[in-house]
Amino acid sequence: GESVGLHLPTLSVQEGDNSIINCAYSNSASDYFIWYKQESGKGPQFIIDIRSNMDKRQGQRVTVLLNKTVKHLSLQIAATQPGDSAVYFCAENIHPTPLVFGKGTRLSVIA
Amino acid sequence: DSGVTQTPKHLITATGQRVTLRCSPRSGDLSVYWYQQSLDQGLQFLIQYYNGEERAKGNILERFSAQQFPDLHSELNLSSLELGDSALYFCASSVAPETNYGYTFGSGTRLTVV
Repeated sequence: GESVGLHLPTLSVQEGDNSIINCAYSNSASDYFIWYKQESGKGPQFIIDIRSNMDKRQGQRVTVLLNKTVKHLSLQIAATQPGDSAVYFCAENIHPTPLVFGKGTRLSVIA
Repeated sequence: DSGVTQTPKHLITATGQRVTLRCSPRSGDLSVYWYQQSLDQGLQFLIQYYNGEERAKGNILERFSAQQFPDLHSELNLSSLELGDSALYFCASSVAPETNYGYTFGSGTRLTVV
């Protein structure tokens, strides 16, 4: 698929374990952050977002943590499943400029 | 189906040629964004249009150009193609240019320059 050829760091996780994907963002003025998931052969798909006035947000099986002090964003996936295998991108935004994407992390789930 | 339609899905062409990539945004979205994804890079922002007008420009080469038409579909034109232009090209759309609600991406066009 399209994302297979990307030269990215890889995180391998056992099925059922929790995954933590990290992202260092670049601009301390960024006020909005998003995590995207890109499966093979597809475009990036929105997972969860967080605004700079928050430090944690939870979704279904996913949690995003924001540490503005060190410009760090993380995505936690609970009970990782084979369907979670994909490339994960963080993106930052300073309103109203377009989203700036990080390089991505490949998550590989071992059944 | 995300609602953003990109055509063609695959394109193979020779160096020096010109191609046009097409994008239809999700219904109701007025803003269109083009991103390039190559092997060693993440998603690199190229250009943004809102309601027919260019809104923001990123790392877009002078050989590349884009436009958004009255029906809101957008085209990305790539000319004098080089081997290094081989990449995935994604279109995304959003309701408004100042939105902080994320973008909806299409499935991309894979361009191979030989």
